[in-house]
Amino acid sequence: DAGVIQSPRHEVTEMGQEVTLRCKPISGHNSLFWYRQTMMRGLELLIYFNNNVPIDDSGMPEDRFSAKMPNASFSTLKIQPSEPRDSAVYFCASSFGASSEGEQFFGPGTRLTVL
Amino acid sequence: SQQGEEDPQALSIQEGENATMNCSYKTSINNLQWYRQNSGRGLVHLILIRSNEREKHSGRLRVTLDTSKKSSSLLITASRAADTASYFCATDNNNAGNMLTFGGGTRLMVKP
Repeated sequence: DAGVIQSPRHEVTEMGQEVTLRCKPISGHNSLFWYRQTMMRGLELLIYFNNNVPIDDSGMPEDRFSAKMPNASFSTLKIQPSEPRDSAVYFCASSFGASSEGEQFFGPGTRLTVL
Repeated sequence: SQQGEEDPQALSIQEGENATMNCSYKTSINNLQWYRQNSGRGLVHLILIRSNEREKHSGRLRVTLDTSKKSSSLLITASRAADTASYFCATDNNNAGNMLTFGGGTRLMVKP
């Protein structure tokens, strides 16, 4: 298995532009997580899906952020419009079962820079 | 503040020495996990310890859990330069569903 796949690996965009991050979880995993990591705030959970359904999105910063999981093998995190303070590394992770029952497998991350 | 908080924030040791990192948390948990993150990479799961366990071993790793003190420690024995990374504890939160909350991490540097 290739593990969790994220694309793009790096994204540089200008303030106000729409950004879409993509994630393909490990086949057979039914939980998917989006995290954001910065030096100031550390690793923050943004949203958690279970069986393609958003379970908790309380970590989503504001309405500019949205996430979808149209099927078990694909998820997107969209920022519209983007702002410089959104610059961070965004990780997608997947696991089998409820998150606390086992390990989460992380993708390599997308490093987003908003100018 | 975060559920899990690591101590120290940074640790520098010589190769061959042992490294101990601590994690404190605030609410009751089902289990606690430790992850490792190499620079520029995603987190990698190291070990999970359940709330009814007190100690767990995996190779050179030893994890302890004290639920009465709401704390855990990760010990890496006979450290190697390749152990240089950030180490995070992650806790679930019985009151917030089955999600993990990560601490701020300990940056470990092992000098050859």
